[in-house]
Amino acid sequence: DTGVSQDPRHKITKRGQNVTFRCDPISEHNRLYWYRQTLGQGPEFLTYFQNEAQLEKSRLLSDRFSAERPKGSFSTLEIQRTEQGDSAMYLCASSWGSGQGFEKLFFGSGTQLSVL
Amino acid sequence: GEDVEQSLFLSVREGDSSVINCTYTDSSSTYLYWYKQEPGAGLQLLTYIFSNMDMKQDQRLTVLLNKKDKHLSLRIADTQTGDSAIYFCAESAGGTSYGKLTFGQGTILTVHP
Repeated sequence: DTGVSQDPRHKITKRGQNVTFRCDPISEHNRLYWYRQTLGQGPEFLTYFQNEAQLEKSRLLSDRFSAERPKGSFSTLEIQRTEQGDSAMYLCASSWGSGQGFEKLFFGSGTQLSVL
Repeated sequence: GEDVEQSLFLSVREGDSSVINCTYTDSSSTYLYWYKQEPGAGLQLLTYIFSNMDMKQDQRLTVLLNKKDKHLSLRIADTQTGDSAIYFCAESAGGTSYGKLTFGQGTILTVHP
């Protein structure tokens, strides 16, 4: 297994444009998480899926953000009408979770978004 | 709400022990974690401790948990230059997902030869 893959590694966009990121989790993992990390800070939880169902969204996730995980495999995170404050590293992680106890998250290398 | 705090910088000499400290506020934290982040790489889970434990040792790593003071520490014995990285403390309270983590802001560990 090659681990969690994220694409693209870097994205530069102009304010107001839409962007979409992709995450390919470890194939047997049922849970997929999105986190956002700004410079000098730790990652912040955005949302997570169990299979294809989006089970929780953070209040950080404004209406401009939408995430999908069709068929419970890869996931996409779309940001509409980007703002400079959206500039951050977007991290994806996957796990095998049952909700009953410890989950080991495997993180991808992230997509660095710069909004000019 | 949950909050996790760490000191921002730590500098040690190669071969010394490093101790990275963390405090958290959520008394319902079930698991506490230490992650390592190297430039250009994803976060890597180093170790974790269940909230009913006081200590956990894993090779060069020792985790101490003081639940009364909500204080967590990571000791790295015989620190090497390859240990230079950002170390994040994190906690999860569970509920529907133990993968929903609250991270501290990270401690930058610099190891000098």
